[in-house]
Amino acid sequence: AQSVTQLGSHVSVSEGALVLLRCNYSSSVPPYLFWYVQYPNQGLQLLLKYTSAATLVKGINGFEAEFKKSETSFHLTKPSAHMSDAAEYFCAVTNANDYKLSFGAGTTVTVRA
Amino acid sequence: NAGVTQTPKFRVLKTGQSMTLLCAQDMNHEYMYWYRQDPGMGLRLIHYSVGEGTTAKGEVPDGYNVSRLKKQNFLLGLESAAPSQTSVYFCASSYSRLTEAFFGQGTRLTVV
Repeated sequence: AQSVTQLGSHVSVSEGALVLLRCNYSSSVPPYLFWYVQYPNQGLQLLLKYTSAATLVKGINGFEAEFKKSETSFHLTKPSAHMSDAAEYFCAVTNANDYKLSFGAGTTVTVRA
Repeated sequence: NAGVTQTPKFRVLKTGQSMTLLCAQDMNHEYMYWYRQDPGMGLRLIHYSVGEGTTAKGEVPDGYNVSRLKKQNFLLGLESAAPSQTSVYFCASSYSRLTEAFFGQGTRLTVV
């Protein structure tokens, strides 16, 4: 079975500060990992994905994530937060043996002026 | 380029009523999914389909039925709505199990 744990349901950062969202996964075979963002009253859209190529993955809007197999982690970062980054972020995992994408509980990001 | 379109966007049902949520995608994707989103629980898979005419149960299928008569459409039915089915429902589609899923805008359903 596969699963994802997102540490921290709420994160508050100042504008211009580092954004760090933590995601740890469990998968019995090599994982495919995704970060999605959900703005208020909207659907989810893909930020970035890891599919066994480079371990440092760059996504849209200045976000990036690093796959660390030894730590079973896929943390999301952005060097400098912008007000428009306020949203809910979901980490998700799947693999070649499973039929579904498993989502974490989500982390809500608030950006302070 | 519409992507994934869900109708309706909002609905209020009385307990015991039935309804159908429609999902349409224009990307020729084989895989389609129905999720429900509840606070603090992320997204949970209700049913999914790996192609026209096929459907399968996800994590939380009880109380729901689905049909995929056409490749571009995936319908979610509630035969007898219950307050526990109050949620936001998302449809998604993807080219394969391992590729990006594209999501609709969601349907906010309240059962009273």
